[in-house]
Amino acid sequence: DTEVTQTPKHLVMGMTNKKSLKCEQHMGHRAMYWYKQKAKKPPELMFVYSYEKLSINESVPSRFSPECPNSSLLNLHLHALQPEDSALYLCASSPDTIGTAFYGYTFGSGTRLTVV
Amino acid sequence: QKEVEQDPGPLSVPEGAIVSLNCTYSNSAFQYFMWYRQYSRKGPELLMYTYSSGNKEDGRFTAQVDKSSKYISLFIRDSQPSDSATYLCAMSAGTGGFKTIFGAGTRLFVKA
Repeated sequence: DTEVTQTPKHLVMGMTNKKSLKCEQHMGHRAMYWYKQKAKKPPELMFVYSYEKLSINESVPSRFSPECPNSSLLNLHLHALQPEDSALYLCASSPDTIGTAFYGYTFGSGTRLTVV
Repeated sequence: QKEVEQDPGPLSVPEGAIVSLNCTYSNSAFQYFMWYRQYSRKGPELLMYTYSSGNKEDGRFTAQVDKSSKYISLFIRDSQPSDSATYLCAMSAGTGGFKTIFGAGTRLFVKA
């Protein structure tokens, strides 16, 4: 089982709905990431949180709003999404974003989002 | 030109074959090289990690990095049907929050 837990696993929402995706890790990692993955495409970086502060925002539309309440939790708030936002949303973590070593990400299983 | 190029396949091989998966890249600043395996409808799973150039072996898997040629490879020996998945190469320069650039992913089918 993955050590990064994402909920819900599946989500169907209308274009006027507000919903949130949740991610939790208990590995003591201080960097957490949101990625978006369309079918048969590689993951695309959306946001990076380092020590609970937003450090990278890859020009993501404001209808996606990230939040990092503490070092173990990462949320992604969704509002007024479009059908083209339907995708697999992946949360990932890594021990750090600074320092001398990077050992790759630990990904969650993702939330499959469908916007209708 | 994309920073990371990877043939999307699909690649179909018989069980027991040796599989070779490859990526090329253009950014000489990359120093962390990874291979992720992704099963259908699941998140990517880190399979192999290499820092800088060289080889790394883990069971049936061998990762090679040739920084002079900007070329990385993943070899799978004695391939099994359970190896059927999409294999994503990934690279990071180790800066900017360890921003990672992924290849397109190669879909591998191992036939029993």
